[in-house]
Amino acid sequence: GAVVSQHPSRVICKSGTSVKIECRSLDFQATTMFWYRQFPKQSLMLMATSNEGSKATYEQGVEKDKFLINHASLTLSTLTVTSAHPEDSSFYICSARDSLAGVTQYFGPGTRLTVL
Amino acid sequence: GQQVMQIPQYQHVQEGEDFTTYCNSSTTLSNIQWYKQRPGGHPVFLIQLVKSGEVKKQKRLTFQFGEAKKNSSLHITATQTTDVGTYFCAGMVTNAGKSTFGDGTTLTVKP
Repeated sequence: GAVVSQHPSRVICKSGTSVKIECRSLDFQATTMFWYRQFPKQSLMLMATSNEGSKATYEQGVEKDKFLINHASLTLSTLTVTSAHPEDSSFYICSARDSLAGVTQYFGPGTRLTVL
Repeated sequence: GQQVMQIPQYQHVQEGEDFTTYCNSSTTLSNIQWYKQRPGGHPVFLIQLVKSGEVKKQKRLTFQFGEAKKNSSLHITATQTTDVGTYFCAGMVTNAGKSTFGDGTTLTVKP
């Protein structure tokens, strides 16, 4: 099946620093990728939709200047958490939609971000 | 905005018992998808339903999409300990381009 990777899997950083998370579709092209945030024992909250070659579409309440998204190629999207604070600590999951396979999303393994 | 409600939030069953989780949308959906997330893992795609009244089966799992395309269910027959995890539905409104996830139903199975 389709594989999506995320890097890093875990990151611990100091408050005020920026962290970049990569999401790659390994065996398919993805014109659309999604970034989610998941708190413990809660559902997935969509943060933004990343479209290759264009600006991301952010959900209401998500600060686009704080969560920078770049989707420069058909297989890579990045999420940069700028000036991270402890409240940004969370599990960030990306998903990718196979351009040739309808609306099915394939999820990456997630990145656990801890901001000290 | 679109809301997707999922019940129950938690379900504890004895191994061998059946399990059902329900998903209800406030608006008509173009499709609905089901995912399973094991503890500590990421969501894994199970199935997608598109047609009104559609029923699909995967071994012991039966998925249904309501006639009005506003509700769906996942039924597991004779649960096993390997079925533990959180089951999420995700509904997509026509032309929305994105899905809204339900809050999930966490299943625990006592051996």
